Amino acid sequence: AQTVTQSQPEMSVQEAETVTLSCTYDTSESDYYLFWYKQPPSRQMILVIRQEAYKQQNATENRFSVNFQKAAKSFSLKISDSQLGDAAMYFCGRTGANNLFFGTGTRLTVIP
Amino acid sequence: GAVVSQHPSRVICKSGTSVKIECRSLDFQATTMFWYRQFPKQSLMLMATSNEGSKATYEQGVEKDKFLINHASLTLSTLTVTSAHPEDSSFYICSARPDSSYSYEQYFGPGTRLTVT
Repeated sequence: AQTVTQSQPEMSVQEAETVTLSCTYDTSESDYYLFWYKQPPSRQMILVIRQEAYKQQNATENRFSVNFQKAAKSFSLKISDSQLGDAAMYFCGRTGANNLFFGTGTRLTVIP
Repeated sequence: GAVVSQHPSRVICKSGTSVKIECRSLDFQATTMFWYRQFPKQSLMLMATSNEGSKATYEQGVEKDKFLINHASLTLSTLTVTSAHPEDSSFYICSARPDSSYSYEQYFGPGTRLTVT
């Protein structure tokens, strides 16, 4: 099965705190890429971070980092020092043969 | 860099008419572009993969005669919804994959809200 699962439909975090969004996936491929996209209320999809499956080192982009566990097929996103502008839907994605498979999304609320 | 534009952002059309949506990669070339549909509070549903110079590949259940895709150049793909019906009302999003990319990431347009009356 070529699925991406986000088990948390909604999450909330206090401003300046840290939150982790979970994502698991299924694949029979050995080489692939993983992504987290953010969709704020404007509905513009924004690439947050990417991870190459053959790299063991977890990707980091400023306040965003991932915890990639290849054997467990897990790819969680950690947001540090949460800001009000981080409030959005977050979609985890995995490359397929020629496209991206997305999870169902996690809505993140940031509490001032 | 990696900007994708989409036009129009909103369109209202009458049932039975056709409407065209344009997707442009502004600062990179993209042999491959994608068209998605997103229902309220749901994930993106891939409709078709658009390839410059060849026919689009449609996902199962998507009517190719209703959703016409033309990838006219390395920076432009269009989606035409033909004989639109109210059930076609939705949010349509395009994306483009840079030819220079090795990681297959996609950059998304801002979306088009289609309302069919």
